[in-house]
Amino acid sequence: GDSVTQMEGPVTLSEEAFLTINCTYTATGYPSLFWYVQYPGEGLQLLLKATKADDKGSNKGFEATYRKETTSFHLEKGSVQVSDSAVYFCALRGTGRRALTFGSGTRLQVQP
Amino acid sequence: NAGVTQTPKFQVLKTGQSMTLQCAQDMNHEYMSWYRQDPGMGLRLIHYSVGAGITDQGEVPNGYNVSRSTTEDFPLRLLSAAPSQTSVYFCASSYRSGQNTGELFFGEGSRLTVL
Repeated sequence: GDSVTQMEGPVTLSEEAFLTINCTYTATGYPSLFWYVQYPGEGLQLLLKATKADDKGSNKGFEATYRKETTSFHLEKGSVQVSDSAVYFCALRGTGRRALTFGSGTRLQVQP
Repeated sequence: NAGVTQTPKFQVLKTGQSMTLQCAQDMNHEYMSWYRQDPGMGLRLIHYSVGAGITDQGEVPNGYNVSRSTTEDFPLRLLSAAPSQTSVYFCASSYRSGQNTGELFFGEGSRLTVL
């Protein structure tokens, strides 16, 4: 079945550091890929998405590129802020499926 | 615009008790779903619905029931609570077209503890 694997956290960075959170997936066909963010005490919010190979999703300075050859969708940001501290979830929607499959989440802590 | 509203936000139950987690959305979304979030396991789908009167099981449906009598509401029922059901529960919804893009709108979550 479909699955998503994320790097374990927590990831602790200083403000203005470069961020990479790795995400790889297993799925048949051509899934859509997503990054969701969960701020403390809140529900998940869509951060960015990509629906086909080589697409780049971007939002709020975050980027991720859909790499079918490596089955990856790594999240990057050039300069993190304290306000980016949250849990980040990689997810996919398999071909013909309605529900999303989520990774286990990666907690990011940004220190001033 | 309220979005997706879940109640209660916190609940403590004893083993064997029953309860209902409420979920309502005011966006006229056809698709609604329930997930549970456990440490190190991400979110796992419990049940989902693609419209009023239609429900189906997700990855971890045992111990939970759902119904969808209206477009707006999608309650999750625990018939006989067990400590293994201690978790944070999220309701999520999307437009029909969202089924192709996968964008879900989440409630703020309900933290359930079963003693």
